[in-house]
This record gives sequence, structure tokens and C-alpha cells, in this order.
Amino acid sequence: AQSVAQPEDQVNVAEGNPLTVKCTYSVSGNPYLFWYVQYPNRGLQFLLKYITGDNLVKGSYGFEAEFNKSQTSFHLKKPSALVSDSALYFCAVRDGDYGQNFVFGPGTRLSVLP
Amino acid sequence: GAGVSQSPSNKVTEKGKDVELRCDPISGHTALYWYRQRLGQGLEFLIYFQGNSAPDKSGLPSDRFSAERTGESVSTLTIQRTQQEDSAVYLCASSLAFHTATFGSGTRLTVV
Repeated sequence: AQSVAQPEDQVNVAEGNPLTVKCTYSVSGNPYLFWYVQYPNRGLQFLLKYITGDNLVKGSYGFEAEFNKSQTSFHLKKPSALVSDSALYFCAVRDGDYGQNFVFGPGTRLSVLP
Repeated sequence: GAGVSQSPSNKVTEKGKDVELRCDPISGHTALYWYRQRLGQGLEFLIYFQGNSAPDKSGLPSDRFSAERTGESVSTLTIQRTQQEDSAVYLCASSLAFHTATFGSGTRLTVV
């Protein structure tokens, strides 16, 4: 069975500083990994994904994530945070070999302080 | 259509009434998912449809919840005899097999 952990409920960072939102996963087959962002009163928006290839994935709005197979992690990063990045971030995994559904982590609330 | 469409966007219902939520997936998407999100919480998986395979209903919280999908088209999530704890945003998503899921804007259900 798949599972996703986001160990931090809340991450606070000052505007202009780098940010990291952590994600670890567990899956039987090949991991397909995703990050989504949710702004207040909005649906989830896709940010980026890792399926295969380069471990460093670049996505929307300057975000990137690094797939680390040995640590089973897929941390989301951005070099310089903006106040407008403040939102709820969800990591998700899908089993690439068994085609099961998306399993989401509990979410991490990011607050970027001006 | 261009995106996943959910209706209604908001629904207020009295406790004990039945409600039906609708999801129109992106045309051609074989997979369709329903999730529930309570206020300030994460996404709770409800049910997953993939093509003509039997749906994965393992996330449905009780037998008051059911969902149907016609082929690779519209899906409806039905909640019978609604309870106050059913109040949440119900999110639908669709995808091609093994691809990114695209989410609708959700239906906010309030049971009073």
C-alpha cells in the first residue's frame, strides 16, 4: 500500500529566503510523485511531478523538487520565497507499477512572512 | 471540456436528506477520483474509477456513500441521510492512466 508523510504541519519562512517543504513516501512499485498547491477556497493546482529521468524536477512558479530514492523523499524547494507562495501544499504518490490511485499527504501550510 | 467541472459549487442541506454531487471529467480521461476535505484538513480518498474496471471503493466511509460513473464520462457521488459530519468540500479529479490528476473546484457541502 502507498503512503505519504509530510512531517511539518506548518512552515514559516521570510520573504526572499529559500523554502523547503518535506515529503517522504512509501510505495511497492515505482513511485510517481506529485506536488499540488491549494490556495484558500480553491481547488488543488498541479505544481510538478517526477515520473522518471532527472532527479531534480522543475515546475510552476519557480518551484522544484528533488527525488531521492535512497531516502524515499521528494522535498519541494524554492530558492526565494514570495508572500504569494503562502498556501497549503500537498505531496502525493502513485504506484507506477500497479496503477493504484493517488495517495495524498496531510498537507503542509506554508506561510511566507513579509 | 477544458477542465474538471463539479456541480453544484455549494450545497446546503438539512440533516437526513439525500444529496447528489456531480463531476464532469476532462474528455478522454479514463481515471476519476473523489476525495473529501474537511475544513483545514488534508484529502481523504473516497473512491476511484479506472476505465471499465471495478471501482476501488475502499475509501467510502459508510454505506450511506455511493458513487457511479457512466463509462468514461460523468460521475455522481450520492450521500444518503446526510449527517453533520458529512459537511466538507468534495473534490473530484480525473487523469489519463499514470498521468497528472486535474482537480475540479469542489462542491462545498454544508449539512444543517
